[in-house]
Amino acid sequence: DTEVTQTPKHLVMGMTNKKSLKCEQHMGHRAMYWYKQKAKKPPELMFVYSYEKLSINESVPSRFSPECPNSSLLNLHLHALQPEDSALYLCASSQEGWYTEAFFGQGTRLTVV
Amino acid sequence: AQSVTQLDSHVSVSEGTPVLLRCNYSSSYSPSLFWYVQHPNKGLQLLLKYTSAATLVKGINGFEAEFKKSETSFHLTKPSAHMSDAAEYFCVVSPLDNFNKFYFGSGTKLNVKP
Repeated sequence: DTEVTQTPKHLVMGMTNKKSLKCEQHMGHRAMYWYKQKAKKPPELMFVYSYEKLSINESVPSRFSPECPNSSLLNLHLHALQPEDSALYLCASSQEGWYTEAFFGQGTRLTVV
Repeated sequence: AQSVTQLDSHVSVSEGTPVLLRCNYSSSYSPSLFWYVQHPNKGLQLLLKYTSAATLVKGINGFEAEFKKSETSFHLTKPSAHMSDAAEYFCVVSPLDNFNKFYFGSGTKLNVKP
C-alpha cells in the first residue's frame, strides 16, 4: 500500500465554522506533512511531524492547528478561516533519512465562504 | 540555503517530439533531487529521484533526468511527448542537512499539441 488518503476531497466552510482535514498512511512512514497550494502556484510547506512530534511550523497562523494522534494519522483543524485560505491542502508522508521521497495524497479542495 | 529554479514557466511541444524541462538548484551539499508531476486538481506523483547512485536517473512513463553537479542542474527529458504528459511539473530539492524539508520550484506547465 503506497497511498496517502485524504478526506474529505472537497470542503466548503463558513468563516465561523470549525472543521478538520484528515490524512492517513499505512506505509510505516514516520514523517508527515501538510502543504497548502494556491492555484497555479507550487505547494508551500505548513507543518512537519517527525515521530509524531511537531518538528517544523512554517509560521502558520494559529487558525490552522495540526495534530498527529498516531504514526498513521495526521489531522489539520481549521477554525475562523478567511476566504484567502481557500486552497488545495495536500498531505504527504516519507521515511526519515536521506534520499527519501515524499508520497502525496490527492488533496482536499477547501473553499472558505 | 537551498533553492531550486525552474527556468521555464511554460513549455509547449508537439506530440511525438522531445521534451526538456529545466531545473537548477543551489545547495551546500549534494542534495536529494526529485521531479513530480501534477495533473489538474490532483495530488503530486513522483516521476523520478536522484539519490547519488547514478547521475542518469530513469523514471516512470519514459522520463529521465541527468544530475550535473558542475552545472548544478537536474533537467527532465523525454524522447517523445504524449498527449497524456500535459501537466504541471515540479523540481524539488531536499537538503541532506534537513531532509524533512522539500523545497519546490515554481513549476513548469507542459502543453502537448496534437
